[in-house]
Amino acid sequence: NAGVTQTPKFRVLKTGQSMTLLCAQDMNHEYMYWYRQDPGMGLRLIHYSVGEGTTAKGEVPDGYNVSRLKKQNFLLGLESAAPSQTSVYFCASSYRHGGTGDTQYFGPGTRLTVL
Amino acid sequence: TQLLEQSPQFLSIQEGENLTVYCNSSSVFSSLQWYRQEPGEGPVLLVTVVTGGEVKKLKRLTFQFGDARKDSSLHITAAQPGDTGLYLCASQIISSGSARQLTFGSGTQLTVLP
Repeated sequence: NAGVTQTPKFRVLKTGQSMTLLCAQDMNHEYMYWYRQDPGMGLRLIHYSVGEGTTAKGEVPDGYNVSRLKKQNFLLGLESAAPSQTSVYFCASSYRHGGTGDTQYFGPGTRLTVL
Repeated sequence: TQLLEQSPQFLSIQEGENLTVYCNSSSVFSSLQWYRQEPGEGPVLLVTVVTGGEVKKLKRLTFQFGDARKDSSLHITAAQPGDTGLYLCASQIISSGSARQLTFGSGTQLTVLP
């Protein structure tokens, strides 16, 4: 099993451009998450999904949209990128939604720079 | 959202030394997880502690959950260069009205020098 994979690994955008980050998992997990990681701030939840066709907002959802059309895929979109969205983005998946003892499996990350 | 404070923020030690890092909150944890993140990779779960006063060991790593479930510590014995990484604690708050989300601390960046 590949686990959780993310595409692309690196990307540079200009302010105002749009892009989509793809996350795929082959563990048949119900729940998927998108986080951003910034220096000195740990990981912050952007959006999450508890199943195919569902999405919900996390701690820092503004400026991002998500879609979960297939159980194995979770897409993160930036419609009009801003320099404040320069960050490392991590996707994760789990059998259940962050409950006691549940394990989230993380992808390797996408490093995004917005100029 | 529960705030988790981790200390120290940075720690650089020599191989063979012992160390302890801390994770604290003003709120009660329902459970507390510790992750390790290596450069260029995503975090990997090390352990989950649930019961106040609980102690778990993973080889040279010892995890302790405070009696009041507001703090946790990670102790590494005889650190090795392979222990180098960012150590993150994460918790789900006890709140029936909140979405069940993990909240992460900002991490302790550990460097073990050979």
